[in-house]
Order: sequence, then C-alpha cells, then structure tokens
Amino acid sequence: GQSLEQPSEVTAVEGAIVQINCTYQTSGFYGLSWYQQHDGGAPTFLSYNALDGLEETGRFSSFLSRSDSYGYLLLQELQMKDSASYFCAVKENTDKLIFGTGTRLQVFP
Amino acid sequence: KAGVTQTPRYLIKTRGQQVTLSCSPISGHRSVSWYQQTPGQGLQFLFEYFSETQRNKGNFPGRFSGRQFSNSRSEMNVSTLELGDSALYLCASSSEPLAGETQYFGPGTRLLVL
Repeated sequence: GQSLEQPSEVTAVEGAIVQINCTYQTSGFYGLSWYQQHDGGAPTFLSYNALDGLEETGRFSSFLSRSDSYGYLLLQELQMKDSASYFCAVKENTDKLIFGTGTRLQVFP
Repeated sequence: KAGVTQTPRYLIKTRGQQVTLSCSPISGHRSVSWYQQTPGQGLQFLFEYFSETQRNKGNFPGRFSGRQFSNSRSEMNVSTLELGDSALYLCASSSEPLAGETQYFGPGTRLLVL
C-alpha cells in the first residue's frame, strides 16, 4: 500500500532547530515535496527533492535519501510564525500526489 | 498574478443533497487538482484535470465528479451528500500536469454536511 509517515506533533522554542521526518512507501517515486499550512490557511509549497541530498532555501532545508525512502525538513532559527502544520508529499508513478497526515509544529517563546 | 480562488468559501448542506464547488486557477495554469482534507485522513487526492481532460482520479466513490472548462476553471460536484463528506476541499493549480514540485493551493471550501 501507499503510506507516508510523519510525527503528528513537534514542539520547540524560538531560535531552536527542528527536524520533521518523513518515511514513505509508495508505488514508484518521482520526488518528495514539503508544504506548510497555517491554521485556516491553504498549503503553501516549501521545497522539492527529486535527487538524494540536501536542498537549502533560507532557514528551511530539505533532505532526501531515496535508498532509505526517507526525507526530512529542517527548520532553523525558529520563529513564532513557523507554528503550522507541515506535510510531506510524494509524486508516485501514477502521477498522483500522496500526502502524509502532517506534523503540527508548535513554537514557544 | 492573482492566486487560486475558490467559491464558495463555506457551505452547509444536508444529507442527500448535492453540491458544486468552483476553482479558478492562476492565470496561465492549465492543471487543476482537487483534494479533500479532514483531520483524521489528512489531504487526499480526488482528481486532476489538464486541458479539460481528467488525467487522474483518487480512490473516491463515483458521487465525486469534476470537470474543467476551456478557460481552465474547474468544478467538482458531490452528489447524495453523506455526513462523512464534511471536509475542507482544496484545489491546486500548476502550469504542467501535477507538477508535484510546485502546486499553488486555493483557500479551500469548507463543507459541512448535517
């Protein structure tokens, strides 16, 4: 079956670093995406990894290991506004985008 | 550029009724995907349309249907509503078919079925 596993909740304090993991089991794999969604808002695209390695975009980085079917989103210098839900998503070989159930990040002062 | 717009934003229906939701993609985007979001199931793929053709469909019953018009606007319809259809329905647009690396989501339509 298809599944993406993420922790349900992560907490951290302002200024800290947090890593949100995602392991996947899908029918084929083209790439791993990450989306952020604030309460009441729409998901917004953060990053995409098609190849192994680390992609850095400002305070956010995303990592992929295709051999381990694993990726993570790394958030540095956490700010209160980073409190949101974070979803990983895999584009699999039927061209469907499969989302994880999301990780709720709470940042405390 | 204007973002993805969805109408209506909120909707209350009763069991057995039907509902039509609308999505206008970003100008120039020809791919529109629909998702259902519930607290327990997360984001689940409903279907994708590209150039007025359904390219892909998720594992939802036939009560869920959609279409896309020549101007890329899309509608989804749910017939014979059930309580379990209460959810946030999101549409997303991209320039190419289901470009997983970049989809732009609308604010969603929150449907409550009583």
